[in-house]
Amino acid sequence: KAGVTQTPRYLIKTRGQQVTLSCSPISGHRSVSWYQQTPGQGLQFLFEYFSETQRNKGNFPGRFSGRQFSNSRSEMNVSTLELGDSALYLCASSLGGVQGNIQYFGAGTRLSVL
Amino acid sequence: KQEVTQIPAALSVPEGENLVLNCSFTDSAIYNLQWFRQDPGKGLTSLLLIQSSQREQTSGRLNASLDKSSGRSTLYIAASQPGDSATYLCAVGFSGGYNKLIFGAGTRLAVHP
Repeated sequence: KAGVTQTPRYLIKTRGQQVTLSCSPISGHRSVSWYQQTPGQGLQFLFEYFSETQRNKGNFPGRFSGRQFSNSRSEMNVSTLELGDSALYLCASSLGGVQGNIQYFGAGTRLSVL
Repeated sequence: KQEVTQIPAALSVPEGENLVLNCSFTDSAIYNLQWFRQDPGKGLTSLLLIQSSQREQTSGRLNASLDKSSGRSTLYIAASQPGDSATYLCAVGFSGGYNKLIFGAGTRLAVHP
């Protein structure tokens, strides 16, 4: 069974640009969550999607947005990139529905903003 | 505010030692707690999941315990090996948060031969 797949693995952008990251969950999983990991702040929750609906959101500015498609694949978008957006972006999938299932993480997308 | 703290921040031990990593959380309305391992530059690997109704979980040389009343969890690693070298992260799911996890800063473990 394939794991969580994130593409691309690495990205280099400049300030002011926008970027889209993709996450394909484990087959059968309907919940996808996104996290930002930086050396200073650690792992921080961005948002969670379940059945194409955002059902939880972290404390990030509106420049960070996401969506989920009917096949459970998810994308997150960051507009007007800032230097501080440089981070490892991780997505996690789980069966969803009720709370409490194991979450499985992808290898991440490393974003560098110059 | 819901916070998760991990102690120690770093640990260096000789091969063969038994280890205890600590995690504490501030809100007793915990739904579950998950321990992860992260190798440098990589994603997270799930090690153990403990539901709030459970006291402990075991997998191979790993044992995790949960004490809701004191807001603590411990990860016990028996007979450590160099391959155990990684960062260990504790993540808590609080009631009503759906699948949102709040992470501790991690314990960076180095096991030397």
